[in-house]
Amino acid sequence: GEDVEQSLFLSVREGDSSVINCTYTDSSSTYLYWYKQEPGAGLQLLTYIFSNMDMKQDQRLTVLLNKKDKHLSLRIADTQTGDSAIYFCAVKTSYDKVIFGPGTSLSVIP
Amino acid sequence: DAGITQSPRHKVTETGTPVTLRCHQTENHRYMYWYRQDPGHGLRLIHYSYGVKDTDKGEVSDGYSVSRSKTEDFLLTLESATSSQTSVYFCAISESGAGGNTDTQYFGPGTRLTVL
Repeated sequence: GEDVEQSLFLSVREGDSSVINCTYTDSSSTYLYWYKQEPGAGLQLLTYIFSNMDMKQDQRLTVLLNKKDKHLSLRIADTQTGDSAIYFCAVKTSYDKVIFGPGTSLSVIP
Repeated sequence: DAGITQSPRHKVTETGTPVTLRCHQTENHRYMYWYRQDPGHGLRLIHYSYGVKDTDKGEVSDGYSVSRSKTEDFLLTLESATSSQTSVYFCAISESGAGGNTDTQYFGPGTRLTVL
């Protein structure tokens, strides 16, 4: 079946850029999402990209999509301690199901 | 923030007892979902609903049942709780689940369930 994979942990220094990576298996995916989960809270949508786009930028966030390699990344510029959270990649498959990755826990070191 | 509440927020129960978790929305969204979140597994879909009295199974539905008698409420029931059902449960809603739209899901705050 469809699968979404992410590395589980990432640690960066405050002020550096963070890059969180995601790979998926369904080449016919339509929408790809990044959600953020802060401690003790539910997930919140950060941004999404449609499959016919290569890049989307939204303030400090840049999403890159490589459809050939089925690779999605989220870059956070000038990472702050408030960015410490779990980041989930999710993919809307050709069957209209949304599959979530396991989440990447981002730790920002002051 | 989308108007989604979950109750209770925390519950401790014993193996073999029935448990019902409630999700309530004020957005009038058609789709509602129940997920469980476990370390290393991310979110796994338990059941979802695409309308009043219309529900379907997700990938980890065994041991769970759901009901949706009103648009705003989606109940998740563990008929006989087991320790493997200790988890954090999230409800989510979306306007539409299909048809070429973004299908953005909005999540509730979660319910932490411990089965002893």
